[in-house]
Amino acid sequence: GAGVSQSPSNKVTEKGKDVELRCDPISGHTALYWYRQSLGQGLEFLIYFQGNSAPDKSGLPSDRFSAERTGGSVSTLTIQRTQQEDSAVYLCASSLRREGPEQYFGPGTRLTVT
Amino acid sequence: KNQVEQSPQSLIILEGKNCTLQCNYTVSPFSNLRWYKQDTGRGPVSLTIMTFSENTKSNGRYTATLDADTKQSSLHITASQLSDSASYICVVVLNTGTASKLTFGTGTRLQVTL
Repeated sequence: GAGVSQSPSNKVTEKGKDVELRCDPISGHTALYWYRQSLGQGLEFLIYFQGNSAPDKSGLPSDRFSAERTGGSVSTLTIQRTQQEDSAVYLCASSLRREGPEQYFGPGTRLTVT
Repeated sequence: KNQVEQSPQSLIILEGKNCTLQCNYTVSPFSNLRWYKQDTGRGPVSLTIMTFSENTKSNGRYTATLDADTKQSSLHITASQLSDSASYICVVVLNTGTASKLTFGTGTRLQVTL
């Protein structure tokens, strides 16, 4: 079956603009994660969705970042008033349940803020 | 200070040779420790998952070890192939009761050459 997909694969935006990144998890996976991977850094947890529960937003770096998951499937990560330090690869992962154990990653969206 | 430290940062080896990648962590107590392989431009793919009670786990030419007392893990690659060229990421998973929190190392970039 299809894996996790993300779009766009690349996004170049001007500083101050808003961007939306999309994630389509594997069908039936109830858990969805967003991560950020900056150059030379490890992956950084951003936000976690589990079924209909309130999302764990503890990793969001500022209130410019938000995410939603509609219908327990597709998720959108929105970054408002982008800054150059937001430039990174944004990865989405899904798993069958909270504990996983397996998280399946999408290919990521490379965001460049100029 | 990163809670998951990996060494070396980068490594170049000849095809056919073996190599060992190291991971030291301070995150505890943890649920499981994972090794991921990330090809350039792709999302991470799981290689091994070990609980704290497991000492070793193999996946083909990849063998991971875990010493929970010293908080160290290693990934041994046998008879390396050109396709092994990638970043290898050590991940420690902590179950907080409401979510699985993953702490990622910064990875070891492996290059296998002829």
